[in-house]
Amino acid sequence: KAGVTQTPRYLIKTRGQQVTLSCSPISGHRSVSWYQQTPGQGLQFLFEYFSETQRNKGNFPGRFSGRQFSNSRSEMNVSTLELGDSALYLCASSFQGAPPDTQYFGPGTRLTVL
Amino acid sequence: AQKVTQAQTEISVVEKEDVTLDCVYETRDTTYYLFWYKQPPSGELVFLIRRNSFDEQNEISGRYSWNFQKSTSSFNFTITASQVVDSAVYFCALRSGGSYIPTFGRGTSLIVHP
Repeated sequence: KAGVTQTPRYLIKTRGQQVTLSCSPISGHRSVSWYQQTPGQGLQFLFEYFSETQRNKGNFPGRFSGRQFSNSRSEMNVSTLELGDSALYLCASSFQGAPPDTQYFGPGTRLTVL
Repeated sequence: AQKVTQAQTEISVVEKEDVTLDCVYETRDTTYYLFWYKQPPSGELVFLIRRNSFDEQNEISGRYSWNFQKSTSSFNFTITASQVVDSAVYFCALRSGGSYIPTFGRGTSLIVHP
C-alpha cells in the first residue's frame, strides 16, 4: 500500500503571498489531519477533515484553511503569508480519525517564507 | 486535558550503547492510547508502536523495546545496541478516549555517534 504523499516537498514564497499544499492519504483512509512543525513550537495541530468536512480545528488564525475532496485528498491553504509561517507542514491520515486509529504521516512540505 | 512530557531534549550516545527515551503522560481518561514515532532528518514521522491503556505488557521488536507503567504514567522506549541509523527525533504521543486530536511531546533528539 502506498503511503501518505505530500506535494510539493519544498516551497519558497514571499510575505503576503498565498500557498496551497496537497496531501493524498493512504488508500481507504478517510481522515486527514494537518500539523505545523517548527523548532520553537513543536508539532501543532491545524485541523482534521473527515468525509469532506472539517471536524476539528486547532488554534490557528483564519489565514489557515483547508478542504477535503470526495476521494479523501486534502489541500491546505495559507493566505497572506508571514515570516512565522515558515515551517514543516505534515499531513497524517487514518482510517476514521478516532482512537484507536493510528495516524500515518507523509514526508511533509517544507515552506520557507522570505 | 492531555499532556505528554519528554524531558530529554537531546541524548548523545556512542554506537552500541543502550539508550532509553522517557515519556510521561497525563490524562483523566481511563481509555487512552500511546504512540511512539521516529522522525529522521528527511522529516517524515514514522510510526513505531501503539499501546492501549488496558495492556501493560511490555513489547519488544528487535532492538526496540517499550516499557508501559500506568503506576508512574510512563511509556519509555529503549533502543538496545544503538546504531547510527537510529539518529532521529523521537516523539511520544497520547490520544485519550474519544479525542480526535493526539497530543505530542516536544520530542527527544537522539544522536548516535559512530
